[in-house]
Amino acid sequence: EAQLVDSGGGLVQPGGSLRLSCAASGFTFSTYSMNWVRQAPGKGLEWLSYISSGSSVMYYADSVKGRFTISRDNAKSSLYLQMSSLRAEDTAVYYCARVSSAFRYFDYWGQGTLVTVSS
Amino acid sequence: SYVLTQPPSVSVAPGKTARITCGGNNIGSKSVNWYQQRPGQAPVVVIYYDSDRPSGIPERFSGSNSGNTATLTISRVEAGDEADYYCQVWDSSSDHPVFGGGTKLTVL
Repeated sequence: EAQLVDSGGGLVQPGGSLRLSCAASGFTFSTYSMNWVRQAPGKGLEWLSYISSGSSVMYYADSVKGRFTISRDNAKSSLYLQMSSLRAEDTAVYYCARVSSAFRYFDYWGQGTLVTVSS
Repeated sequence: SYVLTQPPSVSVAPGKTARITCGGNNIGSKSVNWYQQRPGQAPVVVIYYDSDRPSGIPERFSGSNSGNTATLTISRVEAGDEADYYCQVWDSSSDHPVFGGGTKLTVL
């Protein structure tokens, strides 16, 4: 069965950088588009970024555009989110999520990794 | 950008029917997905494409979508259904996914 494992979260100072990773297994990673979604403490889900299966198309939410960069390595079945110029409001649990190949919904999610931006 | 509106909370007694709404401009023309999120866990899809259920999701979960409102219906509610529920669509103008604000379902 498909599995996504998020990692790389931690405590970072405002203005700092962090790279999140999502390791995929149990499916052909290179054929699926992927996304990052976050959830601030006590808040709802916020979509952040999308990358197509071959990395030719990438989208970003306005809240992170210019600060975050999504990428993937299909040979390593891994998804990444490079985050820079981090702010206190970026504190959240970050999830990677796969888009179903048949219908457009998020069919598998990572367990999430917590990013805390604080001095 | 496209906005989805959900009630912050819904309460229901065990064995009764819970209905969670998701409002959006002409949402009936879009495909709506619903996710369940229990505390401390990642979201799980319970309804996709308005009314389809993934394997493993009980038949008690159903969905409908028409006009400006999509609805997630949970029949014969159980204590284990207590969770946050989020609706989600793709914004056709930006091709970005959009989530509703979420509804906390409380089983009395």
